[in-house]
Amino acid sequence: GQNIDQPTEMTATEGAIVQINCTYQTSGFNGLFWYQQHAGEAPTFLSYNVLDGLEEKGRFSSFLSRSKGYSYLLLKELQMKDSASYLCAVMDSNYQLIWGAGTKLIIKP
Amino acid sequence: TAGITQAPTSQILAAGRSMTLRCTQDMRHNAMYWYRQDLGLGLRLIHYSNTAGTTGKGEVPDGYSVSRANTDDFPLTLASAVPSQTSVYFCASSDSLAGGTDTQYFGPGTRLTVL
Repeated sequence: GQNIDQPTEMTATEGAIVQINCTYQTSGFNGLFWYQQHAGEAPTFLSYNVLDGLEEKGRFSSFLSRSKGYSYLLLKELQMKDSASYLCAVMDSNYQLIWGAGTKLIIKP
Repeated sequence: TAGITQAPTSQILAAGRSMTLRCTQDMRHNAMYWYRQDLGLGLRLIHYSNTAGTTGKGEVPDGYSVSRANTDDFPLTLASAVPSQTSVYFCASSDSLAGGTDTQYFGPGTRLTVL
């Protein structure tokens, strides 16, 4: 079966750095997406990785290792507005997205 | 630009009743999707459409039907609602043709409660 694993909840301090991990087992791989979802709102796109390595976009970076079935989202200089759920999703061989349950990130002052 | 709109925002529905959730996008995207989101679970694909006139079944299609008469609209119908269909429903679209990896953009969601 297909499976995406990520921690249920994480807590971090304002101004700090946090790394949210995602491991996956899917039938085929056509890229990995990270989305941010604030409570009661729609998911919004953060990043896309299809090749191994680090993609940096401002305070957010995303890393992929296809051989390990592993990705992480790195958030730097945390702000209170970063309190949200972060969703990892893998596009499988049928070009359908398989979603993790999301990691709820709590930022404390 | 409105992007993707969904209606209604929320609804309480009696079991056994039918209902259509509406989704409209103004980005001229080829592909559209319907997901449901339940606590503790990832988004699950109900139905999708790669282009106007075609639809396909996702992971959890039972009890739902869709149509894609034109590029902009992708309504989701529950023919006879059951309490297990209580969920938040998200419509999404992407500029992908079949087999593409383009980013999916989401509407604001419809919160449905079936009693």
